[in-house]
Amino acid sequence: QVQLQESGPGLVKPSQTLSLTCTVSGGSISSGGYYWNWIRQHPGKGLEWIGYVFHTGSTSYNPSLKSRVSISVDTSKNQFSLRLTSVTTADTAVYYCARDVQWLALGHWGQGTLVTVSS
Amino acid sequence: DIQMTQSPSSLSASVGDRVTITCRASQSIHSFLHWYHQKPGKAPNLLIYSASSLQSGVPSRFSGSGSGTDFTLTITSLQPEDFGTYYCQQSFTTPYTFGQGTKLEIK
Repeated sequence: QVQLQESGPGLVKPSQTLSLTCTVSGGSISSGGYYWNWIRQHPGKGLEWIGYVFHTGSTSYNPSLKSRVSISVDTSKNQFSLRLTSVTTADTAVYYCARDVQWLALGHWGQGTLVTVSS
Repeated sequence: DIQMTQSPSSLSASVGDRVTITCRASQSIHSFLHWYHQKPGKAPNLLIYSASSLQSGVPSRFSGSGSGTDFTLTITSLQPEDFGTYYCQQSFTTPYTFGQGTKLEIK
């Protein structure tokens, strides 16, 4: 059973870059065929899709964040990563990594990590 | 972006009740519609994919229907562990978008 685990700083200062890593176990990113996603949830709010990366490195991003976001994959470490630049307090959220299953539904999720943007 | 609208935003029901949640897309998404259940402090859990297919391990009291723009999640015989928030999500086109959520309270 594939498992995902987010890691990274829980506190980021405004204007700095948020960097998170998702470590995958129980399956290999390089085996292909799946999309590796980042989703976030502002405190007490709904879910927002940030973007995904394919094992080839191909990406798709939410236009609302596109100028600030990048998602990359490191198949040698079986990890994929999120970078969000020029953060503000509005980027305070729980960040989840997830993998798709059939029909691009998000069937495997990490537990989530809270990132607070504050000086 | 495709807008996903759920109704109701919240509801309260008793154990054993039948509950229905609807989700409407701003344009046709065919069957690229999925339902999730989220409990406080936990990641969402996939219940239904492609509108009506039950995800492995999900109890059969959950079912989904619909295609195009209108979709329904039904829970027959509500159980105490079904409290939480339900979200629909479309994967027909990026950016993937979610409904605003339906908060289910058990009476």
